[in-house]
Amino acid sequence: AQKVTQAQTEISVVEKEDVTLDCVYETRDTTYYLFWYKQPPSGELVFLIRRNSFDEQNEISGRYSWNFQKSTSSFNFTITASQVVDSAVYFCALSEGRQAGTALIFGKGTTLSVSS
Amino acid sequence: SAVISQKPSRDICQRGTSLTIQCQVDSQVTMMFWYRQQPGQSLTLIATANQGSEATYESGFVIDKFPISRPNLTFSTLTVSNLSPEDSSIYLCSVEGLAGGDTQYFGPGTRLTVL
Repeated sequence: AQKVTQAQTEISVVEKEDVTLDCVYETRDTTYYLFWYKQPPSGELVFLIRRNSFDEQNEISGRYSWNFQKSTSSFNFTITASQVVDSAVYFCALSEGRQAGTALIFGKGTTLSVSS
Repeated sequence: SAVISQKPSRDICQRGTSLTIQCQVDSQVTMMFWYRQQPGQSLTLIATANQGSEATYESGFVIDKFPISRPNLTFSTLTVSNLSPEDSSIYLCSVEGLAGGDTQYFGPGTRLTVL
């Protein structure tokens, strides 16, 4: 069965610190997609990244970077030089197969608090 | 980029009443979904809104409690019926198929409080 585990419930850092959010997934499919979403206090869910199971290349986007390792079934998210605006709940999600309408399976989320 | 809107953004309802939430996209999409996020929890899929046919519900969710409509490729409604305090949650619609892609994008959510 598919499952997404975000073991870190809450993380608190001070501005400019680097922080890594962990995500471990379980799936029996060989084709799947992994996602990260950000949910700021306003409640809206903001898409950050999508990765397919055949592409293990790490990705960097500004202060954000993602490390995908199939060997450990992990898809970790690092924020470099964190800022107060990064404070939010971050969700990792999985969708199996690649037919239209595949549901997203979400982890429980990690609440990141960045203080100035 | 496409705009996904939900109405209402929040509401406070009395026990036993119903609330209908609208989700509107400003471009046609292939798939629309409804999720529930209970306080402090993650998101759980309620159902897939199928255009022109009955919605596909996930285990634990039934049509009588959560009737869904999708009359066209840009609009869907979710009704939460016979409200109880346990229905207090954020309800989010998501869409897939924007610009031909298959990433799900989410609306801003509807925050429901049941007294």
